[in-house]
Amino acid sequence: DTAVSQTPKYLVTQMGNDKSIKCEQNLGHDTMYWYKQDSKKFLKIMFSYNNKELIINETVPNRFSPKSPDKAHLNLHINSLELGDSAVYFCASSQDGQNSGNTIYFGEGSWLTVV
Amino acid sequence: ILNVEQSPQSLHVQEGDSTNFTCSFPSSNFYALHWYRWETAKSPEALFVMTLNGDEKKKGRISATLNTKEGYSYLYIKGSQPEDSATYLCAFRDNDMRFGAGTRLTVKP
Repeated sequence: DTAVSQTPKYLVTQMGNDKSIKCEQNLGHDTMYWYKQDSKKFLKIMFSYNNKELIINETVPNRFSPKSPDKAHLNLHINSLELGDSAVYFCASSQDGQNSGNTIYFGEGSWLTVV
Repeated sequence: ILNVEQSPQSLHVQEGDSTNFTCSFPSSNFYALHWYRWETAKSPEALFVMTLNGDEKKKGRISATLNTKEGYSYLYIKGSQPEDSATYLCAFRDNDMRFGAGTRLTVKP
């Protein structure tokens, strides 16, 4: 069983569209994250949720919004997509928050291409 | 060093060679250093988490050391195999979690 799963794996969409990427973890973790792999291949954190509270919100455009219906899910909604949003987005989870010493488990990534 | 830097960016070795690469990180406000193994089209897989200066961790042929005072960690692979081919990421935790760009290792049969 996949511990952290995200869908879709590949998404090609037009500028201006609204899209969502779903994420689910079956590890019973308290915290979930969204990372973006930038053009230089760095993983940069976008959001994290712990018990339905947003605890990290990096300086990402407000067109991006995380939605967590329950502890096992953290979906990423993107409104009015722009060309620069093309990237690989990774969902992740950990038992405690990012500032603990616990391992972060990643999904396989969602390749978003905006045309 | 303000960010996490990994070197080299890429490395090509022959099967059976031993190899190592470096992760450099800010030496202040250290909390933990993580190493991940990342194969193309798969999720990053956790290898080690190290929190104490002088920590050494080992998993099979792969081992890592940590020097928090000077801000570096080494990852060693003994007797490289083609299946070791992957990108090896390190991540530094202080008040945030910052990833390096990775070292891309290719092991030729």
